[in-house]
Amino acid sequence: AQTVTQSQPEMSVQEAETVTLSCTYDTSESDYYLFWYKQPPSRQMILVIRQEAYKQQNATENRFSVNFQKAAKSFSLKISDSQLGDAAMYFCAYRSALGSARQLTFGSGTQLTVLP
Amino acid sequence: DVKVTQSSRYLVKRTGEKVFLECVQDMDHENMFWYRQDPGLGLRLIYFSYDVKMKEKGDIPEGYSVSREKKERFSLILESASTNQTSMYLCASSFPRVYGYTFGSGTRLTVV
Repeated sequence: AQTVTQSQPEMSVQEAETVTLSCTYDTSESDYYLFWYKQPPSRQMILVIRQEAYKQQNATENRFSVNFQKAAKSFSLKISDSQLGDAAMYFCAYRSALGSARQLTFGSGTQLTVLP
Repeated sequence: DVKVTQSSRYLVKRTGEKVFLECVQDMDHENMFWYRQDPGLGLRLIYFSYDVKMKEKGDIPEGYSVSREKKERFSLILESASTNQTSMYLCASSFPRVYGYTFGSGTRLTVV
């Protein structure tokens, strides 16, 4: 079974600064997808960014980028120019690319505080 | 705007009650999921369904059952609620083999 580990329960960052959230995972599969989700106080889970394991290029979405290290099974999220609206719980998630696989496996989350 | 709607945002029930949590999606998604979210544990999969009347157990199915009689609706049932089932419950849906899910906004259930 796959596992996802987020070792930082809480992080804080100054507004306009950069912060990196860590995620490691364990799998024996070679093809899979990785995700970062954001859960603000509204509780609505929002997809921030995704990465396909077969792609060597790191995914980027505006101020959000990932550092995907497949050999190390590491998938960190970098938030640049942090804004107050980035304050939320962030979850890393894994999904197998096997045809029958459907479910996401989540980490325990990192609570990000943005300081004005 | 596509939606996953959970019928209650907050719910308080008594120990031993039978509890129904309802989830409806308007996107014609085949897959639907129920997760439980607890501090320090993240989201854990309770049950999922990949078609009408089809269901599979997730990681923590004990004490729960599900029903999917129509494609758009997926119900989570607590047969006899217990205090250790106090939690946030999140419903989600997706197409097969498509990236990520669409989530509902959660039901915070308190069992007293």
